Amino acid sequence: DAKTTQPNSMESNEEEPVHLPCNHSTISGTDYIHWYRQLPSQGPEYVIHGLTSNVNNRMASLAIAEDRKSSTLILHRATLRDAAVYYCILRDVQYNFNKFYFGSGTKLNVKP
Amino acid sequence: SQTIHQWPATLVQPVGSPLSLECTVEGTSNPNLYWYRQAAGRGLQLLFYSVGIGQISSEVPQNLSASRPQDRQFILSSKKLLLSDSGFYLCAWSVRGVSSYNEQFFGPGTRLTVL
Repeated sequence: DAKTTQPNSMESNEEEPVHLPCNHSTISGTDYIHWYRQLPSQGPEYVIHGLTSNVNNRMASLAIAEDRKSSTLILHRATLRDAAVYYCILRDVQYNFNKFYFGSGTKLNVKP
Repeated sequence: SQTIHQWPATLVQPVGSPLSLECTVEGTSNPNLYWYRQAAGRGLQLLFYSVGIGQISSEVPQNLSASRPQDRQFILSSKKLLLSDSGFYLCAWSVRGVSSYNEQFFGPGTRLTVL
C-alpha cells in the first residue's frame, strides 16, 4: 500500500549534503509527494511536500523528476540531529480527508 | 497552539487482556484523527481514521477497534490482546479539508508490550 520505494539505509558525514531518493512509479496526477522523518522513539514530523515543482523550506529541499516517478529529499548540510528514518509518502486524497501510507523509510546515519 | 496528548506512554499487558488507549487534541476543532501502529523496526501502519464524531474507518482487519466519542477524542480499544498487538501506537491529527498541505501532527505515542 505504500506505493513508494526507498533504500533501507544511508550514511552521511556531518556538514555534508545528503540526497535521499524515492521511487513512486505509479504516482497519479493528483498525488502529492510528502516527506516525513521520525526520530527515535518519537512520532514522525513533517519535512516537506510538493506536486510538480521543486520546493525549498528551512529544513530541506525537494527535487521532483519531470515525469514525477521519482523524487529526492536534499538535506544541504547534515547534522547529527538529522539522524532519523525518512519516509516518502504519496498522499491519497479522498474527499476532505488525506490518508498516508508509510513504507519502511530510509534510516539515515550521520557520522561526526 | 495545537497539542496532541496520548496516554499512557508505556503499557505492559498480558495476552487476552483488554486495551484502551486515549488520544486528545487541543487547540483545534473538527480535526481528522488517525491511529497508526509501528511494529519494532518497521514503518507505520494506518489502523483507523475518523473525519468526525462517531465516524470511524478501518484500514486493516484486526482485533482492534476505535471510537470517537467527542470531537477531539480518539480511543483505541481491544477486548482481548494478542502477542502481535505489541508495538508503538501513534495518534495523529490533521486539519479537515482538501488542500495541498494537510500536515499530520503526531502525538508522543504509546509503547505497548503484550506478554
